Amino acid sequence: AQSVTQLDSHVSVSEGTPVLLRCNYSSSYSPSLFWYVQHPNKGLQLLLKYTSAATLVKGINGFEAEFKKSETSFHLTKPSAHMSDAAEYFCVVSGPWGGATNKLIFGTGTLLAVQP
Amino acid sequence: SAVISQKPSRDICQRGTSLTIQCQVDSQVTMMFWYRQQPGQSLTLIATANQGSEATYESGFVIDKFPISRPNLTFSTLTVSNMSPEDSSIYLCSVPGETQYFGPGTRLLVL
Repeated sequence: AQSVTQLDSHVSVSEGTPVLLRCNYSSSYSPSLFWYVQHPNKGLQLLLKYTSAATLVKGINGFEAEFKKSETSFHLTKPSAHMSDAAEYFCVVSGPWGGATNKLIFGTGTLLAVQP
Repeated sequence: SAVISQKPSRDICQRGTSLTIQCQVDSQVTMMFWYRQQPGQSLTLIATANQGSEATYESGFVIDKFPISRPNLTFSTLTVSNMSPEDSSIYLCSVPGETQYFGPGTRLLVL
């Protein structure tokens, strides 16, 4: 069975400061892991994905995430927040084949607020 | 990436009625997925729709409540039947790609 836990439902940062959104996963086999972003009244957009290649994954808009098997974590980071980063972020787990044709299991989401 | 459109983008419906949501993709895909996002909640997979076969439903979802059609490789519909206020959600379709690409969603409010 697979599951994913997002440790913070809300995160608030100031513009220009670092962002850390935490995610822990559980999987009985090597997972594929993703971060999606959902801006208000917009569709879901893939930020980045991990599929058993490099453990440090770089995504769009300056975001990156590190797969740590020993900690079963896949935290999302960005060195400097921008106002446009304000959105809801979902950590997602799937099977080891990239998630294209497998069920995606979504975390409960973290709402990121960016203060000026 | 695939371009996915959904109709309607939003609707307000009366309880007891049904609504059919359309999902159109700009390329041929074997599989399409339907998800639900209830207010303040995460996304949950409703069913997987393969062209030419019956949809496969996840636990807690049944065909009588959420019938799905998949007439060709670029189109699918999801019907929300005999609606109640608990069906108020965003309904999204997705297709395989780099991972899964999602449509913009249909926002449904049931009164």
